[in-house]
Amino acid sequence: ILNVEQSPQSLHVQEGDSTNFTCSFPSSNFYALHWYRWETAKSPEALFVMTLNGDEKKKGRISATLNTKEGYSYLYIKGSQPEDSATYLCALSFGNEKLTFGTGTRLTIIP
Amino acid sequence: SQTIHQWPATLVQPVGSPLSLECTVEGTSNPNLYWYRQAAGRGLQLLFYSVGIGQISSEVPQNLSASRPQDRQFILSSKKLLLSDSGFYLCAWARTGHYGYTFGSGTRLTVV
Repeated sequence: ILNVEQSPQSLHVQEGDSTNFTCSFPSSNFYALHWYRWETAKSPEALFVMTLNGDEKKKGRISATLNTKEGYSYLYIKGSQPEDSATYLCALSFGNEKLTFGTGTRLTIIP
Repeated sequence: SQTIHQWPATLVQPVGSPLSLECTVEGTSNPNLYWYRQAAGRGLQLLFYSVGIGQISSEVPQNLSASRPQDRQFILSSKKLLLSDSGFYLCAWARTGHYGYTFGSGTRLTVV
């Protein structure tokens, strides 16, 4: 069983501050790494899909990087806003059509 | 455009009662379909997935079962619920898992 670990488990950030959190994994033998945002009472929303070492993706104030050699991905949020409060999930996909999810980082933005 | 419907949104069921959760997808054909569960304090755990009608793969031993009677319909069932079946159940579809999923809105199941 592959362990996809995310840290920290939870995080409180002041509005306007920037933050980042980590997804780490033991193997580089996967097809893609995915980031999702999961707001309370809603379904998870896809943010990024990355496949190559060194990939960087950006959507507005949120960006992500992938380092397959050292086994981690970072998600960055610049200038946090209250609407960024959510659980951020990382997942790996392999050749068998399934995603293996981490336990998530629960982000709370303090106004 | 593709949409995924999942119902009911919340469910409270007594121990030992049966369960049926339904998920349907519109706007695509032959999707991969998935059932995930998040138990309290845990991550998303894959329960079942299906790559075609009547094809079900089970990921964890449990008292749940899944069926795919039609191309765009995926059903999660149990004959007798246990307290440990409580959790948040998500259905998802994908053309292929490599490019990520689209999730349904989820069902909060509480077994009492």
